[in-house]
Amino acid sequence: AQSVTQPDIHITVSEGASLELRCNYSYGATPYLFWYVQSPGQGLQLLLKYFSGDTLVQGIKGFEAEFKRSQSSFNLRKPSVHWSDAAEYFCAVGGITGGGNKLTFGTGTQLKVEL
Amino acid sequence: EAGVVQSPRYKIIEKKQPVAFWCNPISGHNTLYWYLQNLGQGPELLIRYENEEAVDDSQLPKDRFSAERLKGVDSTLKIQPAELGDSAVYLCASSLEGWSNDEQFFGPGTRLTVL
Repeated sequence: AQSVTQPDIHITVSEGASLELRCNYSYGATPYLFWYVQSPGQGLQLLLKYFSGDTLVQGIKGFEAEFKRSQSSFNLRKPSVHWSDAAEYFCAVGGITGGGNKLTFGTGTQLKVEL
Repeated sequence: EAGVVQSPRYKIIEKKQPVAFWCNPISGHNTLYWYLQNLGQGPELLIRYENEEAVDDSQLPKDRFSAERLKGVDSTLKIQPAELGDSAVYLCASSLEGWSNDEQFFGPGTRLTVL
């Protein structure tokens, strides 16, 4: 069964500092990987996705993520965090399970940005 | 272009009462998903529709939950009777097709409180 682990429940960074959110996945084949962001009272918004090809993917809002097959990881990074980045971030893996498409989410990382 | 629309945004009911949530997906999206998001957790799939057919409802508690997507457009998720443990956010999402790499677009969710 596919699964996603986000080991950091909360992270606090200062505005302007760099950010890395960790994500580890378990999947039997080549996974489709996603990062979503959820602001309070809002739905999830897709930041970026990885399907194949270049393992470093660029997303919206200055985010990027790197797929490392050997480590089963798909960490999200941003070189300089803005106060508006404070939100909850979810990593997800997509794949075919039991004959049907399925997206499995991690438990999320809550990001706090200190001014 | 309008996004995924959900109503109501908030609902407070007493236990044992029925409740219904409505979702209108993005126009042209054939696949519709209902997710359950408990506090501090990532979304978990309840049911997935391809047009009007429920193709994955393995995680839907069928003793009290039901869903329909008549005419393959908007959808309704119902709980009858509601229990205290049903308090959560119910998210609706849609995608063009149901492929694993299809981006899912999420609505803002309905926050249910069962007293």
